[in-house]
Parts: sequence; C-alpha cells; structure tokens
Amino acid sequence: DAGVIQSPRHEVTEMGQEVTLRCKPISGHNSLFWYRQTMMRGLELLIYFNNNVPIDDSGMPEDRFSAKMPNASFSTLKIQPSEPRDSAVYFCASSSLVNEKLFFGSGTQLSVL
Amino acid sequence: DAKTTQPPSMDCAEGRAANLPCNHSTISGNEYVYWYRQIHSQGPQYIIHGLKNNETNEMASLIITEDRKSSTLILPHATLRDTAVYYCIVREWSGNTPLVFGKGTRLSVIA
Repeated sequence: DAGVIQSPRHEVTEMGQEVTLRCKPISGHNSLFWYRQTMMRGLELLIYFNNNVPIDDSGMPEDRFSAKMPNASFSTLKIQPSEPRDSAVYFCASSSLVNEKLFFGSGTQLSVL
Repeated sequence: DAKTTQPPSMDCAEGRAANLPCNHSTISGNEYVYWYRQIHSQGPQYIIHGLKNNETNEMASLIITEDRKSSTLILPHATLRDTAVYYCIVREWSGNTPLVFGKGTRLSVIA
C-alpha cells in the first residue's frame, strides 16, 4: 500500500492566488482528516470527513478555506485567496474509522509570499 | 483545552531506555491514551494506545497507572532515529472523536 499521498509536496504562491492541495487516502479507509501545522500553533485539525461527508469543519480558520471529498479516493483543500499567514505544512490523514489509528501523508509545505 | 501535560523536551542516551511521561488527571472512564510521534519533516506516526492495562508492541511499551491519571511511554533501547516529538493524546473510543494534538515532548537521542 502506497500510504496517504499528498500533492504537491511544496507550493510557493503569491498573496491573493488560489491554492489547491490534494490528498489520496489509503484505499478502504472511510475517514479523512486535514491538519495544519505551524511553529506557533502546532498541529491543528481543520476538518474531517466520514464516508465522504464533512463531519466537523469548526477548525477551518476562515471562509477562504474550503474542503471537498467528491469520492472515497480523493480530497482537496482550497484556499482562495491565499494570505501569508496561511503559510504552513498541511497534512492529510486517513483511517478506517474516525476512532481508529491515523495514517498521515508526507504533507504539503505551503509558502504564501 | 489541553487534556494532557507533557514536558516540552527530554534527552536520552543512545541505547538507553527513553521514558516519556504524560499526565492526564481528568481522564474519563471511556477515554483511551494514544501516543504518536513526529519525526522532523514527516507526518505523525501512530505508536501505541491503551485503556488501563499496560500495552506493548514492536515499537514501545505503554504503562498506565492504576488510577489512570498518568502514563509513561517507554522506548526500551533508544536509537538516533527515535529523535522526534512525541504526542500523548486522550480520546474517547466511541463515536466520531478525532485526534487533537497538543505540543508534545521533543525527545533528543544523543550518541
């Protein structure tokens, strides 16, 4: 199994641009999570899905952030418009159930200039 | 609202046992203790979890006190590759309760 796959690994963009981060969970996993990590705030849960349905998006910082999961094998996290304070590492994780152990991807390092 | 308290950093000599403490004095009866670690530039990795009995797997041992108010993660023979941030998390087993990470303990294994 290839594990959780995230793309791109690195993204550098300018303020105001749209950014789309992608995630392919482990096949057969029913729950998907998006986390953001910064030095100041640590590892924060942004949103999670169960069976492709968003369960809790209370961690999404602003309306500029949106996440979708159109099918069981793909999810996106979009930031529009991006701002320098969005610079962080964004992790996607999946699990067979919400309360089972998480498997994390390698993350996307986002830099907004 | 942190449910766990961990020391911010610890050192351990290579080859020695690393004992990482965690306080969770407000843990409730249906909450498990989970440990994850994050090696630099990687996503967090599951290590072990338990309810009230001691647990052991190929990575580590988890010792939970009888009153369940604290626990210790033990890496029996630490190597340089065990240098990472270790997170102790308490969470309900049932329902849709995702993992919420605190600040963890930065373990440095020294040659």
